[in-house]
This record gives sequence, structure tokens and C-alpha cells, in this order.
Amino acid sequence: AQSVAQPEDQVKVAEGNPLTVKCTYSVSGNPYLFWYVQYPNRGLQFLLKYITGDNLVKGSYGFEAEFNKSQTSFHLKKPSALVSDSALYFCAVRDMRNGGFKTIFGAGTRLFVKA
Amino acid sequence: ETGVTQSPTHLIKTRGQQVTLRCSSQSGHNTVSWYQQALGQGPQFIFQYYREEENGRGNFPPRFSGLQFPNYSSELNVNALELDDSALYLCASSPGLAGVAYNEQFFGPGTRLTVL
Repeated sequence: AQSVAQPEDQVKVAEGNPLTVKCTYSVSGNPYLFWYVQYPNRGLQFLLKYITGDNLVKGSYGFEAEFNKSQTSFHLKKPSALVSDSALYFCAVRDMRNGGFKTIFGAGTRLFVKA
Repeated sequence: ETGVTQSPTHLIKTRGQQVTLRCSSQSGHNTVSWYQQALGQGPQFIFQYYREEENGRGNFPPRFSGLQFPNYSSELNVNALELDDSALYLCASSPGLAGVAYNEQFFGPGTRLTVL
């Protein structure tokens, strides 16, 4: 079955330190992977995606993600965290069955960045 | 460029009632998806519409239904509301053909539905 796992409910880092938010996936076929961020009382905002090509994907607000096929992971990273990065982060995979219309989201990881 | 908008922002209903939620897609987007996000969980796919036809559905009962209009705006209707239907309902639009799997989605702010 297609699925996404975010093993950490929350991640805490100090401002200026690097951050990593973990994601692993299980799909049949090639994975189409996404990261979204959700701020309080807001909808989800797209950060970045992996479709094909370079395993290191760069996205919005200085975020990047590394696709690792052997480990079936797609971890979100940022070299230097900001307090304003504090939010809820979702990893998602596109289910390619039946036309690929369905996006499956992980449960989310809450990021806390302390000043 | 106008983003995805949803109405109403908040809604309180009682069990057994019916509710209609509305969504206006981002300009130029002809595909819209609806998601249910329960508290503390990730969004769960309800269904997707492309050019006024449903072309994909998640594991939700038939009392969840929808419409897409010629201007690509959309409605989500839920009949016979249950307590477990309390959630944030998100609408997301994307450009291009349905099933173009590599398109990211653009989300609205959501409608918070409370069922008492």
C-alpha cells in the first residue's frame, strides 16, 4: 500500500542550528514526493517536490530535501533554522494508481525553533 | 493572481444535519481536491474533480458528495452529519490535467466544521 511515515511528532531546534524533519515512504513504482508546511489557522503551503533527477531538491524559504531511494526517505532540511520556521510540516506522496490523482499525507511533524 | 478561497471560515452544525462548503480555485486551475483534516492528523483525501466530473475518491462514504462548476469553483456536501465529521476541510486546486501527478497543489485556508 502507498504510505508515508513521519516518525517524529515534534522536532525542537535552536535558532541558527540546522534542522531535519524525517519522512519515509512506501510506494509501488516511482515516487512523486512533496513537502508542505501549515501555519496556525492556515491551509497548507507547498515547499518543494521530488519528481525525478537530482536527489537534492531545493525549495521555498531556504528548505531543501534529499531523496534517498535505497532508504526510501525524503528528509526535509534547512542549514540554519529561524523562529519563523516554527510550524507543522507534512510529507506527502502522490499515489500513481488510477491516474495519480490522490495525494497521501503523513501525520505531520511539529517544528519548534527556539530563539 | 487570486489564491484559493473557502467559505465559510467556521461552521457549527448538529448531528444529522447537512452542510455545504464552498471553494474557489486559483485562477487558471481546473482541478480541485477536497481533504478532511482531523485534529492532530494529516489531511485525508476525500475526492477530486476535473472539468466538473469526479475522477477520484478516497475512503469516504457516499454522504460526502461534491460538485464542480464551469468556473471551476467547487462545493463539498455532507449529509447526515456525525460527530466524527468535525474537522478542518481543505480545498486544493492545481493546474493542468487531472492525474498529472507532479503538479503541486494550492490549498485554501480551510473551513472548520464542528458537529455537536
